[in-house]
Amino acid sequence: KAGVTQTPRYLIKTRGQQVTLSCSPISGHRSVSWYQQTPGQGLQFLFEYFSETQRNKGNFPGRFSGRQFSNSRSEMNVSTLELGDSALYLCASMRVAGSYEQYFGPGTRLTVT
Amino acid sequence: TQLLEQSPQFLSIQEGENLTVYCNSSSVFSSLQWYRQEPGEGPVLLVTVVTGGEVKKLKRLTFQFGDARKDSSLHITAAQPGDTGLYLCAARLNNAGNMLTFGGGTRLMVKP
Repeated sequence: KAGVTQTPRYLIKTRGQQVTLSCSPISGHRSVSWYQQTPGQGLQFLFEYFSETQRNKGNFPGRFSGRQFSNSRSEMNVSTLELGDSALYLCASMRVAGSYEQYFGPGTRLTVT
Repeated sequence: TQLLEQSPQFLSIQEGENLTVYCNSSSVFSSLQWYRQEPGEGPVLLVTVVTGGEVKKLKRLTFQFGDARKDSSLHITAAQPGDTGLYLCAARLNNAGNMLTFGGGTRLMVKP
């Protein structure tokens, strides 16, 4: 079974631009969560989507948004990029029914210059 | 102060030594997971523990979940260079849905 895939793997953007990251969950997994990983703050939860609805949101500004499509694929968008948004963005998928386990993709390394 | 405290932050040992990593909180977890992450990659799930007092073994790795479901430990026996990496504990807290709260991580280096 294929794992979680994320595209692109690497991205360089300039301050003020916006960016869209994509995540395809494991087949049959209906929940997708996004996390930001930085050396200073570690791994922090951004939001979770299930059945195209945002179920939970972390403590991030409104510049961070996301959505989920009917095939469970998800995208997250960051508008008006700041230098501090440079991070590894990780997507995790979960089957939901009867499972507590989240499986992570390889991440998208975003660098803001 | 982090909700999940992991210790130690760094560990450098020789091949063949044993080690224990700790994950503690003042909050009760509904479940806890341990991950291992290598540079530039996403965390890889090692184990999930759900029941207080639970012990799980995965080859040379032993995972324990505290009776009160507020702490966990990971013990590695006879560490090998292939065990090198960042070990992360992550908990689902009660009333927090599927959101995972992560510890700060333990960076392990095993020297041959």
